[in-house]
Amino acid sequence: DAGITQSPRHKVTETGTPVTLRCHQTENHRYMYWYRQDPGHGLRLIHYSYGVKDTDKGEVSDGYSVSRSKTEDFLLTLESATSSQTSVYFCAISESTSGETQYFGPGTRLLVL
Amino acid sequence: AQSVTQLGSHVSVSEGALVLLRCNYSSSVPPYLFWYVQYPNQGLQLLLKYTTGATLVKGINGFEAEFKKSETSFHLTKPSAHMSDAAEYFCAVSDQNTGGFKTIFGAGTRLFVKA
Repeated sequence: DAGITQSPRHKVTETGTPVTLRCHQTENHRYMYWYRQDPGHGLRLIHYSYGVKDTDKGEVSDGYSVSRSKTEDFLLTLESATSSQTSVYFCAISESTSGETQYFGPGTRLLVL
Repeated sequence: AQSVTQLGSHVSVSEGALVLLRCNYSSSVPPYLFWYVQYPNQGLQLLLKYTTGATLVKGINGFEAEFKKSETSFHLTKPSAHMSDAAEYFCAVSDQNTGGFKTIFGAGTRLFVKA
């Protein structure tokens, strides 16, 4: 199994509070991704990173920011959590982009009350 | 723009029966195609992928898929279902146009296997 961990694994928070999710990898892969998984939508890309300090937006980036100060860590921040951000969040990594397998972390289940 | 359509959000088969999960995609350039599986409370893991070359791709656990360009399809099959195949399956597509970053996932198909 690819060495990817996510923390926390479960979180309950209140509307309006900031929340940070962490993804940590031990594979030294260049590319890292944050997805959210919602019923009927599959996985949707929030943000991705192609190197330290190099990030860009995915299709559902509003309300989220990311940072990558080290190769192994990719942080996702919900600046002011809303109930619509209740979801399961997955981090993924890959060595390169096109055609490469993505390896997924175990997920973080977030409930915003 | 890329898109992926998985026909059927739920599929139920009997143990030992053929498994067929359907996936159609749209892409303006040659695609990279993937099937991932998700077991309860876990992340996704790769079943198989098509990049170039042979259009019939074999994956883990006896699954295979065939890339049919003329039909823009990448259906997943397994000759004989096992109880352990019960999971959710996601078809996904990426291509060079989007730098490969923007892998688009289908909505998923949950497979139920009856004893």
